[in-house]
Amino acid sequence: GENVEQHPSTLSVQEGDSAVIKCTYSDSASNYFPWYKQELGKRPQLIIDIRSNVGEKKDQRIAVTLNKTAKHFSLHITETQPEDSAVYFCAASRFAGNLIFGKGTKLSVKP
Amino acid sequence: DTGVSQDPRHKITKRGQNVTFRCDPISEHNRLYWYRQTLGQGPEFLTYFQNEAQLEKSRLLSDRFSAERPKGSFSTLEIQRTEQGDSAMYLCASSLGRQTAVDTQYFGPGTRLTVL
Repeated sequence: GENVEQHPSTLSVQEGDSAVIKCTYSDSASNYFPWYKQELGKRPQLIIDIRSNVGEKKDQRIAVTLNKTAKHFSLHITETQPEDSAVYFCAASRFAGNLIFGKGTKLSVKP
Repeated sequence: DTGVSQDPRHKITKRGQNVTFRCDPISEHNRLYWYRQTLGQGPEFLTYFQNEAQLEKSRLLSDRFSAERPKGSFSTLEIQRTEQGDSAMYLCASSLGRQTAVDTQYFGPGTRLTVL
């Protein structure tokens, strides 16, 4: 069935460094790729998303890149801050379809 | 708060009991999704509604699970004869339901179920 692999499962960086999380998806018909941030005990919150007709999207310190041929997409966080510490989930779907999530990456930003 | 809301936030029950959860989506959102999240995992899709119609069910949704959205607004998820393996966070999400454009799903706070 459809699957999304996410790596790494844990990531520890120093404040100010960059963090990169990578995902691969199996369903070639997927055309929407959101990233959610989930803090402990809270709901997943969308931080950025990308459509399949776009290769890169940036929003301040956060960027996402997509390689449709390789079925890879990545989240890049620059100038990390302690408040970026959370679990990040990538997901893939077809438009208006259910999301298939990766298993998450626990990001720790050390001051 | 105009976001997705869920009730109750926590539920503790004994094995074999039935439980029902409620989700109120964002006003005017046509699509409503149910996901299940266990510790250390990403949310797993269970089912979704377009207005009052249930359009898709995951194979994870055994016959002990039933969901309804009777008037196309709030939804309920019922689990009958609960088992310890049902212990999880049950998340609801809603979206506008746009077929040909980005259709952001907004999540509720979840209902944490513990089956003893």
